[in-house]
Amino acid sequence: QSDLTQPASVSGSPGQSITISCTGPSSDVGGYNYVSWYQQHPGKAPKLMIYEVSNRPSGVSNRFSGSKSGNTASLTISGLQAEDEADYYCSSYTGSNTPGVVFGGGTKLTVL
Amino acid sequence: QVQLQESGPGLVKPSETLSLTCAVSGYSISSGYYWGWIRQPPGKGLEWIGSIYHSGSSYCNPSLRSRVTMSVDTSKTQFYLKLSSVTAADTAVYYCARHGFSSGWPIDNWGQGTLVTVSS
Repeated sequence: QSDLTQPASVSGSPGQSITISCTGPSSDVGGYNYVSWYQQHPGKAPKLMIYEVSNRPSGVSNRFSGSKSGNTASLTISGLQAEDEADYYCSSYTGSNTPGVVFGGGTKLTVL
Repeated sequence: QVQLQESGPGLVKPSETLSLTCAVSGYSISSGYYWGWIRQPPGKGLEWIGSIYHSGSSYCNPSLRSRVTMSVDTSKTQFYLKLSSVTAADTAVYYCARHGFSSGWPIDNWGQGTLVTVSS
């Protein structure tokens, strides 16, 4: 299992939109529509924001959206708010032959 | 509402075995889903350790497989993690969690995490 690749940091001003990418091999990100995104504030447990590439759990703002093209998944946050400042992690299911989860290294989002 | 709570020693000596318990409330482990362990070294990212089904079927991160033992007690609605031969590199916040929603194992419920330090 190899970590998925994310940018170390992104930033944006309130009201703007940002996109965080997540690249992995065809054996997980590229092979399945099972990419999830998590938000983690300092000292807190991660929170599921997106599952199955683009689905939002109940209660998650529609400012958060996900997509995928080939081996790269993306999380877009529109209308940035101060409370969005956090670490974001992507993850992918690794398949039915070797079930498991692999995470990206995480992206620190700074709201300027 | 599903709640998960980790418990166990906060300090483990090098070469010894780390043992953690996850208590689940608000949902019966026997009803389904995989239940997992994830860790996060201080200042670093998330690492999946392994996950277990109520039947006992389990899968582990290949990099940790030789040292990991997981088990589940459905009557107590608890599941367990043992990590043997620990070193300082195993110092981390350990989370227990539920893989819900879909076949793709998204983690929809997390415990609050417990810090385990490996030190003599």
